[in-house]
Amino acid sequence: GQQVMQIPQYQHVQEGEDFTTYCNSSTTLSNIQWYKQRPGGHPVFLIQLVKSGEVKKQKRLTFQFGEAKKNSSLHITATQTTDVGTYFCAGLPGNTGKLIFGQGTTLQVKP
Amino acid sequence: GAGVSQSPRYKVAKRGQDVALRCDPISGHVSLFWYQQALGQGPEFLTYFQNEAQLDKSGLPSDRFFAERPEGSVSTLKIQRTQQEDSAVYLCASSLEPGLAGTYEQYFGPGTRLTVT
Repeated sequence: GQQVMQIPQYQHVQEGEDFTTYCNSSTTLSNIQWYKQRPGGHPVFLIQLVKSGEVKKQKRLTFQFGEAKKNSSLHITATQTTDVGTYFCAGLPGNTGKLIFGQGTTLQVKP
Repeated sequence: GAGVSQSPRYKVAKRGQDVALRCDPISGHVSLFWYQQALGQGPEFLTYFQNEAQLDKSGLPSDRFFAERPEGSVSTLKIQRTQQEDSAVYLCASSLEPGLAGTYEQYFGPGTRLTVT
């Protein structure tokens, strides 16, 4: 079946260091979304990428969608303690709205 | 306006009991989704409604799981004869109809944590 793999599973960084999480799909995606889930919370939408090779920025966060629309990355520059949480990519293989989530990358930031 | 709400927030059931989990989506959101999230994992798709029509139920793990949305707003996920492996957080999400919003952004509720003992 369709799978979305995400690495690494965990990442511990010192505050101010950069962080990157990678997402790979077994099939071509119509779009990819990124969500953040704080401990004890629910997923909150961050961004959606639709076009091949698309790059979007939100302050210190940079999101990329691969040329083949099968992979994506999220890069955080100069992490802060408020960045702590689990970041999920979620691929949309078709037009039904059915999202396939990756396993998530849990980010810990040491002050 | 209010976000997606779910009730109860916590449910403890004895093995073999039936449970019903409720989701109130954002007003005007046509699409509604149910996910199951095990500890340390990403949400796994269970089923999807567009208005009252259940368009995809491919993620329901067994015929003990049943979902409905009879009037196209509130939805209920029912689990019959609960088993220990059903213990998880059940998340509901809603979204605007893609054709109107041009996006499939999903708004999640706080979830119901189900523990089967």
